[in-house]
Amino acid sequence: LAKTTQPISMDSYEGQEVNITCSHNNIATNDYITWYQQFPSQGPRFIIQGYKTKVTNEVASLFIPADRKSSTLSLPRVSLSDTAVYYCLVEIQGAQKLVFGQGTRLTINP
Amino acid sequence: DTGVSQDPRHKITKRGQNVTFRCDPISEHNRLYWYRQTLGQGPEFLTYFQNEAQLEKSRLLSDRFSAERPKGSFSTLEIQRTEQGDSAMYLCASSPLKGRATEAFFGQGTRLTVV
Repeated sequence: LAKTTQPISMDSYEGQEVNITCSHNNIATNDYITWYQQFPSQGPRFIIQGYKTKVTNEVASLFIPADRKSSTLSLPRVSLSDTAVYYCLVEIQGAQKLVFGQGTRLTINP
Repeated sequence: DTGVSQDPRHKITKRGQNVTFRCDPISEHNRLYWYRQTLGQGPEFLTYFQNEAQLEKSRLLSDRFSAERPKGSFSTLEIQRTEQGDSAMYLCASSPLKGRATEAFFGQGTRLTVV
């Protein structure tokens, strides 16, 4: 299984852009990169998924360099409500489950 | 779309008692998962159903744990002879078979406290 490494915690302020980087050195050719968000006492929520270059949706952007050994989740102009744990996952081709690490605990301050 | 529903939301039980949790996935989602999450940790995979077939079980799922999805719709997770170490949030997730397995929808979880 491709292992992911991401910072344990990050702090930022309202209105700032936040970038969370995840390393996945052993990613295989067909694997996708997925990010989830989890608020306290709730289940994780799918945010974004990508294979290469850049993916953008209404919530975030995902940047994946050519070698795909890392990825960066970008949250534009964060607010207090973006305080959550963010998980980076690598989809294993043919696997039917998600494998979560410890995630990054993001705290947004006023 | 009512989302994934889990019942109960909270359960407090005495050590040694049996507990059962229920998960109602999103309608027509073939895949159903159970995860366990303890404080400060990411969710840990327990088991996976494709329709009514239980296709994968984690080593975390000891003999005291059993999961069913009898008609390929709702699922139950039973823990027998609960121990304090079973205290955790139990999460259910579902996804359609046609989509990617990593685009799953999670319920709000059942928080189990064993006293």
